[in-house]
Amino acid sequence: GENVEQHPSTLSVQEGDSAVIKCTYSDSASNYFPWYKQELGKGPQLIIDIRSNVGEKKDQRIAVTLNKTAKHFSLHITETQPEDSAVYFCAAMVIGYSTLTFGKGTMLLVSP
Amino acid sequence: EADIYQTPRYLVIGTGKKITLECSQTMGHDKMYWYQQDPGMELHLIHYSYGVNSTEKGDLSSESTVSRIRTEHFPLTLESARPSHTSQYLCASTGLATGEQYFGPGTRLTVT
Repeated sequence: GENVEQHPSTLSVQEGDSAVIKCTYSDSASNYFPWYKQELGKGPQLIIDIRSNVGEKKDQRIAVTLNKTAKHFSLHITETQPEDSAVYFCAAMVIGYSTLTFGKGTMLLVSP
Repeated sequence: EADIYQTPRYLVIGTGKKITLECSQTMGHDKMYWYQQDPGMELHLIHYSYGVNSTEKGDLSSESTVSRIRTEHFPLTLESARPSHTSQYLCASTGLATGEQYFGPGTRLTVT
């Protein structure tokens, strides 16, 4: 089955800095890679996703890149703000054939 | 915003009691899931369903049971709660075609 590794487990940055979270996956058949943000006391929220037919996707301050050859994908947050502080999860799956396999999460702390 | 609901949001209950955690979604999604999340952040899949009358066990063994009698409803039941069941329980759903998975707000269960 799929195995997703996520690094780092914690990340502390200053407001305005960029933050990068990296994930690797094992199943070359995986074709869907979402990222979730979980704030304290809430359920994970889908913030961006990428499918295997594209290499990069942006949405305002967040972007995701995918390297299918190396089987890794990354979340990039620019101009971080204190409200970006949360736990972030990456995940991978084969659409229509498997359930999502999640990474273990990254706690991002943005200091003012 | 995803239309997926969980009740209760918080539950404190004594050992040996039977409990049912409710989950419902109004998006017409075929696939629904239950995850258990401990303070260590990691999400563990305990049950999933691909449609009415379909239920499967997830990666993490759980003493809970689920049922799927209606598309929009996926309740989780513990016949006899124990302190080891204390955790956050998250419900999620996915549309068959897109793979996008949405989470509910979670139920924080404490068994005393």
